[in-house]
Amino acid sequence: GAVVSQHPSWVICKSGTSVKIECRSLDFQATTMFWYRQFPKQSLMLMATSNEGSKATYEQGVEKDKFLINHASLTLSTLTVTSAHPEDSSFYICSVLLAGVSYNEQFFGPGTRLTVL
Amino acid sequence: AQKITQTQPGMFVQEKEAVTLDCTYDTSDPSYGLFWYKQPSSGEMIFLIYQGSYDQQNATEGRYSLNFQKARKSANLVISASQLGDSAMYFCAMRGYNTDKLIFGTGTRLQVFP
Repeated sequence: GAVVSQHPSWVICKSGTSVKIECRSLDFQATTMFWYRQFPKQSLMLMATSNEGSKATYEQGVEKDKFLINHASLTLSTLTVTSAHPEDSSFYICSVLLAGVSYNEQFFGPGTRLTVL
Repeated sequence: AQKITQTQPGMFVQEKEAVTLDCTYDTSDPSYGLFWYKQPSSGEMIFLIYQGSYDQQNATEGRYSLNFQKARKSANLVISASQLGDSAMYFCAMRGYNTDKLIFGTGTRLQVFP
């Protein structure tokens, strides 16, 4: 498997500020990472696919200027929530894609809980 | 469009009993993969089991097995000999043909009681 970390594990910020969330693949190089958002008692919704060395691919309805993704190295992808508002409060989870013999598997980070006041 | 449906918002099971969590899907892709994940209250997503659409046999991983019925488009998770530590949210997910993106169902909260 793969070990994935996220930092911070939780963050509280004021409305209008920007917050950066890091996702690190600790034991292998990941060319592809994914970012998900999970509202309370809801499912995970894919926000974007982060590809090392290229622009992220955003899902329909996700504002790319609000959720900036940078995958500058094979072990680190960052998600920056710009000008955060209370409706951005959510649980943000990243995953890394590991190629397998019969299928590719995503390994998830522990998540970051964002609360915007 | 692809869709995953989990119709059981919550399930109760007594310790040591077996429980089945339902999952149906809809896709027109020629091949696809189905996953089950466990999410404890801590929030991490834990991979449980995978079933490929062309796999001849139902997948099994320890106490987890997947009851795959392709014609009915269902991929139910069976947990045998439930343990108190199995109490968590369980998500069914699907990836389509030629993509690694996952689409998740709404989840089922399983509670195991003594």
